[in-house]
Amino acid sequence: QKEVEQDPGPLSVPEGAIVSLNCTYSNSAFQYFMWYRQYSRKGPELLMYTYSSGNKEDGRFTAQVDKSSKYISLFIRDSQPSDSATYLCAMSAGGTSYGKLTFGQGTILTVHP
Amino acid sequence: GAVVSQHPSWVICKSGTSVKIECRSLDFQATTMFWYRQFPKQSLMLMATSNEGSKATYEQGVEKDKFLINHASLTLSTLTVTSAHPEDSSFYICSARDQGNYGYTFGSGTRLTVV
Repeated sequence: QKEVEQDPGPLSVPEGAIVSLNCTYSNSAFQYFMWYRQYSRKGPELLMYTYSSGNKEDGRFTAQVDKSSKYISLFIRDSQPSDSATYLCAMSAGGTSYGKLTFGQGTILTVHP
Repeated sequence: GAVVSQHPSWVICKSGTSVKIECRSLDFQATTMFWYRQFPKQSLMLMATSNEGSKATYEQGVEKDKFLINHASLTLSTLTVTSAHPEDSSFYICSARDQGNYGYTFGSGTRLTVV
């Protein structure tokens, strides 16, 4: 069993739709949760960062973390064609393991006009 | 914001040769950098932790003699793939963190093709 599970999709939605992406994990030591966006042949770009459980909103993006269920989500409102990319969840434990990220497989998202 | 520059962006080499990939933090100092590997349609897998002024720490299953890491300054880490073989063909990405920011910034990646 992988430490982090993420449905690879692909996910195709019309412009303006609300997109829901999620990951589950098994390592209870994870405390820091991130969502990255990756365009083809590029490095990942940090979208959202959350520590422990709770919600965080930034513009059209909302990240949710439920540590009791070991489940994290990313919501994209009013999706745009420019949001088409691969979305990766990532997480790490604290202390000396802070920078050692464990990634999900990534979900390929296409937003069509 | 924090910028991590990676060079080259792509490289093709012959089997048996060595390839060096550079990772630079442009506007901040990074005592620690991380190297990841990504196969097509798969996620990033951590290969090693690069520590400035000391030996790198490798993840289980990663050959340290094959993937040489040098972190000689606070802004530069290099990954050298020695005696490359076709199975080493992959997308290699580094990351670093500006102490003033949350989360890690990734370089743009290097696509290595060994023929």
